[in-house]
Amino acid sequence: GENVEQHPSTLSVQEGDSAVIKCTYSDSASNYFPWYKQELGKRPQLIIDIRSNVGEKKDQRIAVTLNKTAKHFSLHITETQPEDSAVYFCAPGRGGATNKLIFGTGTLLAVQP
Amino acid sequence: GAVVSQHPSRVICKSGTSVKIECRSLDFQATTMFWYRQFPKQSLMLMATSNEGSKATYEQGVEKDKFLINHASLTLSTLTVTSAHPEDSSFYICSASNAEKLFFGSGTQLSVL
Repeated sequence: GENVEQHPSTLSVQEGDSAVIKCTYSDSASNYFPWYKQELGKRPQLIIDIRSNVGEKKDQRIAVTLNKTAKHFSLHITETQPEDSAVYFCAPGRGGATNKLIFGTGTLLAVQP
Repeated sequence: GAVVSQHPSRVICKSGTSVKIECRSLDFQATTMFWYRQFPKQSLMLMATSNEGSKATYEQGVEKDKFLINHASLTLSTLTVTSAHPEDSSFYICSASNAEKLFFGSGTQLSVL
């Protein structure tokens, strides 16, 4: 089966600092690369996504960069705030946003005020 | 935006009983729904892909006779955990697509005593 790994597994930053989480996947047919944020006991929320014809996408404090050749993509959060504290998952997939997604191992981000 | 409703949100049952979880797309038709399971502090693991009017496709290692999936209409998929045991205690979450994006239900916390 496909392997989807995230690094680091835990990340603690000071408020205002930047955070970067990397996702490595094995399925070369993946063409959709989303990042989800999940708070304890809640559903995952899509925060940003990118498709294989684009190398980078930015939405305010959040950005995603894709290196399809190396099969990894990263989540970048700038000017972190305590409310950014959550578990973040990457979930690469084939066939776009409506096909099945394989979730990564997860990264617990703690933003210290 | 599109809404996916999941019920119940929490269920406690005795070992050996069966539990049914419903996943409904409230304002769109979902030809495909997905069922995930999430153990504490772990990632979401895809259990099966549910297609309206056909048999579900189960991921490797998921017992189809234990986790019965029915997708009888374009707005409803159900997951029945049969003869539940304490090791089945987990957070179960569904997702549904509207041909553009994927939307997650709010999840069901199952506790088997």
